[in-house]
Amino acid sequence: QKEVEQDPGPLSVPEGAIVSLNCTYSNSAFQYFMWYRQYSRKGPELLMYTYSSGNKEDGRFTAQVDKSSKYISLFIRDSQPSDSATYLCAMNSIYNQGGKLIFGQGTELSVKP
Amino acid sequence: SQTIHQWPATLVQPVGSPLSLECTVEGTSNPNLYWYRQAAGRGLQLLFYSVGIGQISSEVPQNLSASRPQDRQFILSSKKLLLSDSGFYLCAWSVGPAEAFFGQGTRLTVV
Repeated sequence: QKEVEQDPGPLSVPEGAIVSLNCTYSNSAFQYFMWYRQYSRKGPELLMYTYSSGNKEDGRFTAQVDKSSKYISLFIRDSQPSDSATYLCAMNSIYNQGGKLIFGQGTELSVKP
Repeated sequence: SQTIHQWPATLVQPVGSPLSLECTVEGTSNPNLYWYRQAAGRGLQLLFYSVGIGQISSEVPQNLSASRPQDRQFILSSKKLLLSDSGFYLCAWSVGPAEAFFGQGTRLTVV
């Protein structure tokens, strides 16, 4: 079993839809949770960072962490064609100060005009 | 502010040729540095990471090596490239266990 599982998609939605992207994990020591956006042929860009549980909102993006279920989500409201990209979740534990993030496989999102 | 430079952006190399990819970070001291490889349509595979000058940890056995000759410089090398070394190579840095920041990547094609 992989430490982090993420549905690779592809996921296709119409413009304006609410998008839900999810990852599950198995390591209960994970405390740091990140979402990255990667456009084709570019490096991943950090979108959201959450420490421990709870929600965090930034504009149209909301990151949610449910540690009891070992489940994290990224919601995109009013999705735009410019949101079309691959979204990767990443996480790490407090015991790994060297910062080796564990990544999900990435979900490919396409927002159709 | 911190920036990361990675070059070249694209590279086409014949099988058996050497490789040297360079990454430098500006605006921070003693960062953790990473080399990742990403195959088409797949996730990120961590190849090497370094927590300090001369300290390199290898995550997977392979045809590649890494070096950190200076605090903010990370180099990925190979003596003889294989076809299977083709891929998208990404350098990244962090200063702790959380956020990591990536360069724009090098697309390597071995022919």
